[in-house]
Amino acid sequence: SQQGEEDPQALSIQEGENATMNCSYKTSINNLQWYRQNSGRGLVHLILIRSNEREKHSGRLRVTLDTSKKSSSLLITASRAADTASYFCATVPYYGGATNKLIFGTGTLLAVQP
Amino acid sequence: DTEVTQTPKHLVMGMTNKKSLKCEQHMGHRAMYWYKQKAKKPPELMFVYSYEKLSINESVPSRFSPECPNSSLLNLHLHALQPEDSALYLCASSPGLAGRETQYFGPGTRLLVL
Repeated sequence: SQQGEEDPQALSIQEGENATMNCSYKTSINNLQWYRQNSGRGLVHLILIRSNEREKHSGRLRVTLDTSKKSSSLLITASRAADTASYFCATVPYYGGATNKLIFGTGTLLAVQP
Repeated sequence: DTEVTQTPKHLVMGMTNKKSLKCEQHMGHRAMYWYKQKAKKPPELMFVYSYEKLSINESVPSRFSPECPNSSLLNLHLHALQPEDSALYLCASSPGLAGRETQYFGPGTRLLVL
């Protein structure tokens, strides 16, 4: 399976704390994306980092990418109860052709306690 | 309009039934996707349509039959399903298949096969 791995599988923190999730993947990639899913419903795109980028910020989100280690991390700063959700990394493999195929990691379930 | 809609939200069907899932987007996107997500698992790609033509079929059993009647609409026809096909079925769209494009997900159809 090409599926990526995420750790931790579950994370429980207090409001105001930072949350860090890690993702490892197996193949060369075009880009890596992070998605959030609330209560088993639709996914919401958070951030995309290209294979030639090392770090990207969006509001309270910071993503890093290390292509030599085939890994990425997502940091959510100053967490809020509304951040409670499952977080998935997803890679677009580099096939050398036009494809937008997403391969999702196993996900991290984040619970932010008020 | 930046929304992908899916109907129905919930569906219960017997193993001999025929039913269809519907997905619609009005963002002018030319790529549309079907994903299947089992409980506590990441989404798995089933089909990709690009410019209304089937681009990727991830070896999905023939009891699942996709159809893209026009650029805004994507259907998934279901026939003779098994209980193990019970899952959340997610539709997504993106501007194209350039490999660096955000996918916009619908809220999903939760399917139960009895």
